[in-house]
Amino acid sequence: KAGVTQTPRYLIKTRGQQVTLSCSPISGHRSVSWYQQTPGQGLQFLFEYFSETQRNKGNFPGRFSGRQFSNSRSEMNVSTLELGDSALYLCASSPGLAGGETQYFGPGTRLLVL
Amino acid sequence: QKEVEQDPGPLSVPEGAIVSLNCTYSNSAFQYFMWYRQYSRKGPELLMYTYSSGNKEDGRFTAQVDKSSKYISLFIRDSQPSDSATYLCAMTHSGGSNYKLTFGKGTLLTVNP
Repeated sequence: KAGVTQTPRYLIKTRGQQVTLSCSPISGHRSVSWYQQTPGQGLQFLFEYFSETQRNKGNFPGRFSGRQFSNSRSEMNVSTLELGDSALYLCASSPGLAGGETQYFGPGTRLLVL
Repeated sequence: QKEVEQDPGPLSVPEGAIVSLNCTYSNSAFQYFMWYRQYSRKGPELLMYTYSSGNKEDGRFTAQVDKSSKYISLFIRDSQPSDSATYLCAMTHSGGSNYKLTFGKGTLLTVNP
C-alpha cells in the first residue's frame, strides 16, 4: 500500500503571500490530520478532517485553514504568511473510525517564509 | 506546565548500549501512548503503540507506560548506528472523536559505531 504523500516537498514564500499544501492519505483512510513542526515548539496539532468535515481543531489563528475532498485528499492553506510560519508541515492519515487510532505520517512540506 | 515533557537531549551512546528515553505528562485522560522515530528531513514513523499501562516489546524495543506516575519510557537494546534519529513520544485520549496527538519535543539520539 502506498504511504501518505505530500506535495510540494519544499516551498519558499515571502511575507504576506499565501500558500496551499496538499496531502493524499493512505488508500482507504478517511481521516487526515495536519501538524506544524518547528524547533522551538515541536509538533503541534493544526486540525483534522473526516468525510470533508473538520472534526478537531488546534490553537492556531484563522490564517490557517484546510479542507478535505470526497476522495479524502486534503489541502491546507496559510494566508498572509509570517516569518514564524516557517516550519515543516506534516499530514497524517488514519481510518478515522475511533479515537486513539494509529496515525501514519507523510514526509512533510518544508515551508520557508522570507 | 506543558502537557507532555520530554528531555530534548542530545543523547550520544556507543553502539551496543541500552538507551532509555522518557516522557512525563500531566493530562490523566491520556490513554494511548506512542513512540515515533524521525530521521532527519523525514516524517515521523511509528515505532511502538501502547494502550493504558503496561509493557510492550517488539524486537529490540520495549515501551513502558506507568499511568499512576504519568510516565512513559522507550528502551532500545543493542543500539545500532541506524537508530540515530529523533524520538518523539505522543499520546491521546479517545474522548469523543478525538484525533489530536500531543507530542513531546523529541530526543535526539546518536549511536556511535
